[in-house]
Amino acid sequence: SQQGEEDPQALSIQEGENATMNCSYKTSINNLQWYRQNSGRGLVHLILIRSNEREKHSGRLRVTLDTSKKSSSLLITASRAADTASYFCALLFTGANSKLTFGKGITLSVRP
Amino acid sequence: GAGVSQSPSNKVTEKGKDVELRCDPISGHTALYWYRQSLGQGLEFLIYFQGNSAPDKSGLPSDRFSAERTGGSVSTLTIQRTQQEDSAVYLCASSLPAVLLQYFGPGTRLTVL
Repeated sequence: SQQGEEDPQALSIQEGENATMNCSYKTSINNLQWYRQNSGRGLVHLILIRSNEREKHSGRLRVTLDTSKKSSSLLITASRAADTASYFCALLFTGANSKLTFGKGITLSVRP
Repeated sequence: GAGVSQSPSNKVTEKGKDVELRCDPISGHTALYWYRQSLGQGLEFLIYFQGNSAPDKSGLPSDRFSAERTGGSVSTLTIQRTQQEDSAVYLCASSLPAVLLQYFGPGTRLTVL
């Protein structure tokens, strides 16, 4: 079935380091979004990148999209302990009628 | 204004009982989504409402699950004859029409004993 594959499953870094998380998929998309989840409850939208875009920035976040490789990366620069959370990529596949497909998530731990 | 709200925040029930979970979307958001998240897993799509269109129920795991959206606003997810495998966090999200950012509620943690 259609789903984003996130990599790595878990990431542990020191505060101040950069965190890179990846998402790959298999069929064409309209857009790709990244969400963050703290403590297993509601998700917060971080950034959306459309299929005709290659890179977007929002504060310390940088997202790239390579549609030829069907992959995206989320980079968090100068990480903080408060960035500790689960991060999900969500894909709007072409023809999916506004229905996002979420990956299984990446657990990021930022050590103070 | 207020964000998406869900109630109850936690629900413990016995196997075989029915439960109702409520979602209040952001005012003006015509799209509403229900997801299920089991421990340590991603989000599993359940159902999607968009305005007055017929809902997309393709994610409902069995006929024990149903959802309504009254007056284009509040939604109720009903699980009949609950089973232990129904234990999960149930998340609701809403969005504006043709805008694909979803705003999530805090979820309802359902525990079936």
